[in-house]
Amino acid sequence: EAGVTQFPSHSVIEKGQTVTLRCDPISGHDNLYWYRRVMGKEIKFLLHFVKESKQDESGMPNNRFLAERTGGTYSTLKVQPAELEDSGVYFCASSQAPRWRGRGFAQFFGPGTRLTVL
Amino acid sequence: AQKVTQAQTEISVVEKEDVTLDCVYETRDTTYYLFWYKQPPSGELVFLIRRNSFDEQNEISGRYSWNFQKSTSSFNFTITASQVVDSAVYFCALSERGPGAGSYQLTFGKGTKLSVIP
Repeated sequence: EAGVTQFPSHSVIEKGQTVTLRCDPISGHDNLYWYRRVMGKEIKFLLHFVKESKQDESGMPNNRFLAERTGGTYSTLKVQPAELEDSGVYFCASSQAPRWRGRGFAQFFGPGTRLTVL
Repeated sequence: AQKVTQAQTEISVVEKEDVTLDCVYETRDTTYYLFWYKQPPSGELVFLIRRNSFDEQNEISGRYSWNFQKSTSSFNFTITASQVVDSAVYFCALSERGPGAGSYQLTFGKGTKLSVIP
């Protein structure tokens, strides 16, 4: 079974530019999450999709961030325009539907995209 | 608000020693999940274990064991007979139901970097 994949693995852009990160979840996983870790801080939740619907975007820092999940498959996270403080590692995770005592709740993470804004 | 504290920033042990990674959490919910993830140098977050708040049985998986104590809000992780391959950053995480239906966003600790010296 293929794991969560993310592209690109590393992106270096200048302040003011636009960057789009992509996440392909594990096949069959309806739940898709985005997180990020900025230097020296905890990994923080950004948002959650169930299929193509945004269930929770309470962690999105501001309106420069736009996430989509067309057709409930892969997801993109666009940062426009990028600022210096957006630098960090962006993780994507996917899970099956939560079941109280089942294993379908564990979130499986991708390798992350390291974003550097100069 | 939920919070996860991993007080140990870095730990170094000599190979074959046992090591315990501490995790203390705060939550107002009676229903929640706890997780441990491993982040090896390659960067991805590897799922290790999930524990729900109603199950206080300790768990052992090979050289890994977990001690969940609700009375002290702790979910500690012990590696027995550590090996060099155990060198990684280990994250403890807590999940409550988020605002969206079925949204179980993770709150992470800052991580503990474990170095196992040969």
